[in-house]
Amino acid sequence: DTAVSQTPKYLVTQMGNDKSIKCEQNLGHDTMYWYKQDSKKFLKIMFSYNNKELIINETVPNRFSPKSPDKAHLNLHINSLELGDSAVYFCASSQGTGGGISQPQHFGDGTRLSIL
Amino acid sequence: GESVGLHLPTLSVQEGDNSIINCAYSNSASDYFIWYKQESGKGPQFIIDIRSNMDKRQGQRVTVLLNKTVKHLSLQIAATQPGDSAVYFCAERVGGTSYGKLTFGQGTILTVHP
Repeated sequence: DTAVSQTPKYLVTQMGNDKSIKCEQNLGHDTMYWYKQDSKKFLKIMFSYNNKELIINETVPNRFSPKSPDKAHLNLHINSLELGDSAVYFCASSQGTGGGISQPQHFGDGTRLSIL
Repeated sequence: GESVGLHLPTLSVQEGDNSIINCAYSNSASDYFIWYKQESGKGPQFIIDIRSNMDKRQGQRVTVLLNKTVKHLSLQIAATQPGDSAVYFCAERVGGTSYGKLTFGQGTILTVHP
């Protein structure tokens, strides 16, 4: 009954490879997010999709490409992996994006990406 | 341990004490604030939230206080338990067209000693 699930949990790969991380939520939310958490625990948003439409695109290298096949899924593909991409990547979801409603984001347990 | 080398603010308390974790936020246009708890190997877990038209909100054993004048947010945990040990993050959302974007604080490591 996991609300936000990410796969894989661990990803160890060589520099220069291409990899994907998948995320699925069963909360019925219409907005999904990708965050990056660095070694100092700093959490920063990368992307957000609302009903399969990209609404937030922070300053992220274009080697990172999100894709939302439907509103319950948001995947992250990373090309030509670099050492600096090593981090924990979190997927999150929420109902809506703002307005007059309080809408906390619910997070998955992360994908720990290590680049060798 | 996980905190080695992180250089985050830390708070150590004895079991049963009350804990107060503080957060200074940056944007006076922020209209919504959330506290998250992150345990080792897990994702951030929602604890409590507050909108900018309130100055206090209570949950089970937790209270969030908001002081918009000085842009300060605090999380009070009553009767702290060892299971409360974690990294705690505050997050703010700017109103208007932020599309739900949350900006997170640096985190505070809470250690509860039995």
